[in-house]
Amino acid sequence: AQSVTQPDIHITVSEGASLELRCNYSYGATPYLFWYVQSPGQGLQLLLKYFSGDTLVQGIKGFEAEFKRSQSSFNLRKPSVHWSDAAEYFCAVGEGYTGTASKLTFGTGTRLQVTL
Amino acid sequence: GAVVSQHPSWVICKSGTSVKIECRSLDFQATTMFWYRQFPKQSLMLMATSNEGSKATYEQGVEKDKFLINHASLTLSTLTVTSAHPEDSSFYICSAERGPSTDTQYFGPGTRLTVL
Repeated sequence: AQSVTQPDIHITVSEGASLELRCNYSYGATPYLFWYVQSPGQGLQLLLKYFSGDTLVQGIKGFEAEFKRSQSSFNLRKPSVHWSDAAEYFCAVGEGYTGTASKLTFGTGTRLQVTL
Repeated sequence: GAVVSQHPSWVICKSGTSVKIECRSLDFQATTMFWYRQFPKQSLMLMATSNEGSKATYEQGVEKDKFLINHASLTLSTLTVTSAHPEDSSFYICSAERGPSTDTQYFGPGTRLTVL
């Protein structure tokens, strides 16, 4: 069964500092990987996704993530954090497109706090 | 584009009553919708996959007679919590997949259910 681990429950960074959120996955085949952000009162918003190809993926809001098969990781990065980035971040792995919808397995999330 | 709405956003009900939650894709057709449950400070747990015009597929451990799912059209899926009890109190989130080839889910803002 697929699984996702986000080792950091809570991270605090200063505004302007760089950010890296860790995500490790377990999946037998080539995974479909996602990062979502959840802000209070709002639905999960897709930041970026990896299906195949270039292992460095660019997303919205200045985020990027790198797929490393050898480490089973898909860490999310941002070079300079803004106060508005404070939210809950979820990494997810999908079963992949096989002609049917992709079921997602989510990690437990990392809460990001940004100090001014 | 790709907006998903949920109604209501918050509901309180008495134990033993039933509650219906609606999930709508506002600007696209969704052949598949998903229902998740999120406990406080925890991850999203997939409850069921809902396909338009067919019976929902429930995850292991989810009572299909308690959580009734209907996907009557390409833009609407409903989750009915029957004979609700306090342990059913949770945050329920739906998502919709835009077309069979995108493999990306778009999430609603969630519904907070409190059972007294």
